[in-house]
Amino acid sequence: DAKTTQPTSMDCAEGRAANLPCNHSTISGNEYVYWYRQIHSQGPQYIIHGLKNNETNEMASLIITEDRKSSTLILPHATLRDTAVYYCIVRRYSGAGSYQLTFGKGTKLSVIP
Amino acid sequence: NAGVTQTPKFQVLKTGQSMTLQCAQDMNHEYMSWYRQDPGMGLRLIHYSVGAGITDQGEVPNGYNVSRSTTEDFPLRLLSAAPSQTSVYFCASSPQESSYNEQFFGPGTRLTVL
Repeated sequence: DAKTTQPTSMDCAEGRAANLPCNHSTISGNEYVYWYRQIHSQGPQYIIHGLKNNETNEMASLIITEDRKSSTLILPHATLRDTAVYYCIVRRYSGAGSYQLTFGKGTKLSVIP
Repeated sequence: NAGVTQTPKFQVLKTGQSMTLQCAQDMNHEYMSWYRQDPGMGLRLIHYSVGAGITDQGEVPNGYNVSRSTTEDFPLRLLSAAPSQTSVYFCASSPQESSYNEQFFGPGTRLTVL
């Protein structure tokens, strides 16, 4: 499995862009990068995913480096409700038509008023 | 749609007791899974199912059983609870695997084993 490395915690001022980095230097060519977040005590919530191209949706943007060894999740205008633990996950195929997500410890993002 | 529902929300057991954590989804998703989350840790996969009648083990399956008799339901059974199984349990579901695999998580069950 490709491992991911994320900072333990980050702060961001409300209204500013939050840039959350993730290293995945052993990623395979067919593995996707997924981002989820978990707001206090709730179930994780899907944010975005990508393979090699940059992706954007209504929640965030995902920037993947050309060598695919790292990526950055960008929340363009962070609000207090974005305070959560953010997980960067490399999805692996585990055989028999299944896909597993391996969650690490993530980055605790604190949005500060 | 109710999405993914889990019952109960909270449960306290004594060592050796058995119980079943319920999980149901109304999105007709083929893939369902159970995770546990311990304090300060990420989620760890317990068991998963790619469709009715098919289950397989995840990273930490010991002490847990599952079955998948219908597409909608995926119960998790603890046959003889142990204090090490004190945790928050999350159920998740997603459509059949493809390049797009957003998993939908339930609200969790907080289990304490004394």
